[in-house]
Amino acid sequence: EPEVTQTPSHQVTQMGQEVILRCVPISNHLYFYWYRQILGQKVEFLVSFYNNEISEKSEIFDDQFSVERPDGSNFTLKIRSTKLEDSAMYFCASSPRGEGGQPQHFGDGTRLSIL
Amino acid sequence: QKEVEQNSGPLSVPEGAIASLNCTYSDRGSQSFFWYRQYSGKSPELIMSIYSNGDKEDGRFTAQLNKASQYVSLLIRDSQPSDSATYLCAVNTGGFKTIFGAGTRLFVKA
Repeated sequence: EPEVTQTPSHQVTQMGQEVILRCVPISNHLYFYWYRQILGQKVEFLVSFYNNEISEKSEIFDDQFSVERPDGSNFTLKIRSTKLEDSAMYFCASSPRGEGGQPQHFGDGTRLSIL
Repeated sequence: QKEVEQNSGPLSVPEGAIASLNCTYSDRGSQSFFWYRQYSGKSPELIMSIYSNGDKEDGRFTAQLNKASQYVSLLIRDSQPSDSATYLCAVNTGGFKTIFGAGTRLFVKA
């Protein structure tokens, strides 16, 4: 069964550094998402992406964050000048269609630890 | 602020019993509803999606939706110890954003 893959599985970074989290969505999916889950808390929507542009973002997704699809397969989340509170699991998801709500398939996540 | 509320649990049921998980949501315009299962330290795994009022069955799982009451539930029949996990209710209000509840922890006792 096709799956969403994320790398790395665990990223440890010094506060203030930049990190890039990588995702390869399911190949025939057109809509891509990033979510965050702080330990013990709920899964929070960050951003959705379609046709090489952001389709919707949450209030969490401020100027510190950016997303990019640099080629035909990868989808990245960049966090600039990381803060301690950015420590969380970051999940990438994809769906074949987007608006109106379609089931999203999640990757295994990247655990980001900011020291 | 659009909200999705779930009882955090834990909900404990004996093996073979029916587990009933409930969720309410605040936005009447919500159109799509999902149940995900999340094992500790793992990613959410889609179990069911439901879009119209009534029941939808898939194997041991039944999702129920009542838009008038802004209520969605998940029934797990013949519960197994492997069903022990956190169950996340997720709601989409028509755009691209899906809002998750905090989840209900389920323990199935052997």
